This record gives sequence, structure tokens and C-alpha cells, in this order.
Amino acid sequence: SSELTQDPAVSVALGHTVRITCQGDSLRSYSASWYQQKPGQAPFLVLFGKNIRPSGIPDRISGSSTGNIASLTITGAQAEDEADYYCSSRDSSGNHRLFGGGTKLTVL
Amino acid sequence: EVHLVESGGGSVQTGGSLRLSCAASGFTFSYYGMNWVRQAPGKGLEWISYISSSGRVISYADSVMGRFTSSRDNAENSLYLQMNSLRAEDTAIYFCARDSLGGYELEYWGQGALVTVSS
Repeated sequence: SSELTQDPAVSVALGHTVRITCQGDSLRSYSASWYQQKPGQAPFLVLFGKNIRPSGIPDRISGSSTGNIASLTITGAQAEDEADYYCSSRDSSGNHRLFGGGTKLTVL
Repeated sequence: EVHLVESGGGSVQTGGSLRLSCAASGFTFSYYGMNWVRQAPGKGLEWISYISSSGRVISYADSVMGRFTSSRDNAENSLYLQMNSLRAEDTAIYFCARDSLGGYELEYWGQGALVTVSS
């Protein structure tokens, strides 16, 4: 399969923990990277590799992967975490890049 | 500080052409692969093209293959996307994005350029 599948929407109560998942065959070969996008803004990288955060990304954001499923977990969600989250990886051939359909996270 | 600035967006009629540019600064441009990613209004991200650091390896999504051409000028620190035979479904914000050195994630993104294709 050349697709990455994400739940379209997830909600979490303020201060609680939420997990956003991404499923696809390419994840058996390539690590997922995760991007956050807020309305009217460009996406930016928040997680990649085996749970690596770029500088400036809070440690309440973490990642894991098993088989063909990658997950992004936010522990103690804050209002500023409300955004769209996209997973991405190379496709199984390694020549193209895939994006999941995105998950809209609402912090209640 | 890394900066990527897209330009060249605008409105064009169906079947027309447009050339996007992405000006890079704050890093050694010739070291990094570059990508174009687009986002149709209200929709998700769609990767459309990759070009290697040297420009010798280029790949495209099926949706733009044969119509779009990526190129780069490492002396000018610039990335380009030539878009021909434009369709209504090409209407989107087009982002340029820099690979990491490892090449597995898009480490930096520009703010995007809006392309509107209408009849």
C-alpha cells in the first residue's frame, strides 16, 4: 500500500494525554515524521526518527512505532497544541514521500 | 537562521503555466535535497516533488508527472517549480521544504505561495 492513514479528528481535555496514530505499510521500512500545522501557517516538524524532537519542541510530545503503526503522544495537552497533525514517510520504494490525511486535534 | 521564501504564485487559466521560485538562505543550499509540497484549500498536505542536492535525482508524484518540472540553481540558492498544463485541481498553496541531512524528514518549510487555476 502507498498510503498513510490517520484518524480525521481527535479531542483531548486540557492537561490530559492524547495519542495520534498513523498506519501504513511504508512504516515497516521507514520511520514516520510528524508535522504540526495551525490555521494560516506553514507546517513544521515536531517529531522524527525514533522519537527525536527538533530544538524547541516541548518534551510533552513523544513518539513511538510498532509494525506498521506510528504514534505521536502529547502528555498533558495544552491549548497551544490544538492544530492539525500530519505524519509522513518515504513510500515503500523509497523514491517518493507520503503524507497521511491529517488529524485535527481539539483541546477541550 | 534558515529561511525559505516562495514567490511566483498567482492566478492562471486552465491549461496555462506558472513558475514558482523558492529562495533559500541561512544554510548551505547545495548540501540539501529539496521538496515541493502543496495543500489544496481545506485539504491535507500532498508531496509533489523532490530534487537531490546536486539536482541529478528528481522525483514526482503521479498527479503532476509530465506537467511539472523541478530544478535548482545552487549558485543562486534557489529552487524552482515549472508548472504547465495547469488544472483546477492544481489550485493550492505550494510550499518548498528542505530535507534533513539524513533525507527522511522535511526539516524547514517556507510560508507558501498560492496558485489559483480557474477557467
